[in-house]
Amino acid sequence: DIQMTQSPSTLSASVGDRVTITCRASQSISRWLAWYQQKPGKAPKLLIYKASSLESGVPSRFSGSGSGTEFTLTISSLQPDDFATYYCQQSNSFLWTFGQGTKVEI
Amino acid sequence: EVQLVQSGAEVKKPGESLKISCQVSGYTFTNYWIAWVRQMPGNGLEWMGIFYPGDSETRYSPSFQGQVSFSADRSISTAYLQWSSLKASDTAIYFCASVSHYYDTNGQLRGYFDYWGQGTLVTVSS
Repeated sequence: DIQMTQSPSTLSASVGDRVTITCRASQSISRWLAWYQQKPGKAPKLLIYKASSLESGVPSRFSGSGSGTEFTLTISSLQPDDFATYYCQQSNSFLWTFGQGTKVEI
Repeated sequence: EVQLVQSGAEVKKPGESLKISCQVSGYTFTNYWIAWVRQMPGNGLEWMGIFYPGDSETRYSPSFQGQVSFSADRSISTAYLQWSSLKASDTAIYFCASVSHYYDTNGQLRGYFDYWGQGTLVTVSS
């Protein structure tokens, strides 16, 4: 199975900060990576697919980059609504997997 | 508008069986894979597997193979996740999600989860 490792596990930040979350794959996954945001008690929400494509309706302060084994999710200017947990997900292999999550907190 | 509406919370005893549902509207049910995702209390997301209502093709994560089963009733656009014998360790929130999928140049299935159900809390306790 392809393992997805996110870093950091927890990130403390302030409103207005530029935030970067990294997701590393145990082997190349080309650009078959998506990012999700989850708030407590809610279902996850798709932010980015195919590594860098912004889902419709998602604010442009979110961006994704990378290919192969290393990917990043960047929030250009953190807003109060962005405090949440973020997950990456790969679909390069027969079996799909999520990263363990990164909690963005104040 | 695409909606995935899941069945309500369940409280069961170890050894009991359970079937939870995910009713889809807003798109052609048989044209898109459905994914099931587990979230244990305080933990992250785990991909359980995917199911294609069009032909019932199924892929299970090795962690869930033999522990659960996926099915669907095409006549009511509803997908199901089923256990034959629950364990306390099955206590979790279970999400269904529609899969926006692609087949790459090698014919391999790729995808991501664009619409999600609200989740079903399953509590297994004696």
